[in-house]
Amino acid sequence: DAEITQSPRHKITETGRQVTLACHQTWNHNNMFWYRQDLGHGLRLIHYSYGVHDTNKGEVSDGYSVSRSNTEDLPLTLESAASSQTSVYFCAVQGSGNTIYFGEGSWLTVV
Amino acid sequence: RKEVEQDPGPFNVPEGATVAFNCTYSNSASQSFFWYRQDCRKEPKLLMSVYSSGNEDGRFTAQLNRASQYISLLIRDSKLSDSATYLCVVNPSGGYQKVTFGTGTKLQVIP
Repeated sequence: DAEITQSPRHKITETGRQVTLACHQTWNHNNMFWYRQDLGHGLRLIHYSYGVHDTNKGEVSDGYSVSRSNTEDLPLTLESAASSQTSVYFCAVQGSGNTIYFGEGSWLTVV
Repeated sequence: RKEVEQDPGPFNVPEGATVAFNCTYSNSASQSFFWYRQDCRKEPKLLMSVYSSGNEDGRFTAQLNRASQYISLLIRDSKLSDSATYLCVVNPSGGYQKVTFGTGTKLQVIP
């Protein structure tokens, strides 16, 4: 399985600050995703990428951006953090078949 | 109607019991189905894919009913370690970004 590393694992930031969550995979797969998970909503897709220089908006993309300069990394940036963006964020990689593998998550608190 | 619906539970069952969860989906064109397991404050992990003919992995059995548009997960001889939230995942045809996660069913196995 892919090794997917997210950092930081936990972060507290202030409203209005820019925050970047890193995601690095060692599997060299093209399809990568960012999800957020909140109580009552399940996993919701923020952005996704099918390869280098390809980025697409997901269901809840407002206030977030991603970039894909290489196959291994898909950093997620919160342009101006808001309290509504307090959540746990999961990076994911599509593996064999349609299987999605997740990183360990990044817990973000915006105060 | 939500694209994927699950009973949130919790299902509280004694050790050794058999428990079953259902998950309904709205898109009749859905092609791929999965069950994921998520432990508290951890990432979701693939438990098993769901095949049209049904499939079994040890104590776990997954089934698909296309006519009624639901998938099921049966756990026999429940163990304390089975306590987790079980996510239903549905992928209609047309791209991985359309993968939809249920909000999960919580299982608590009691000694």
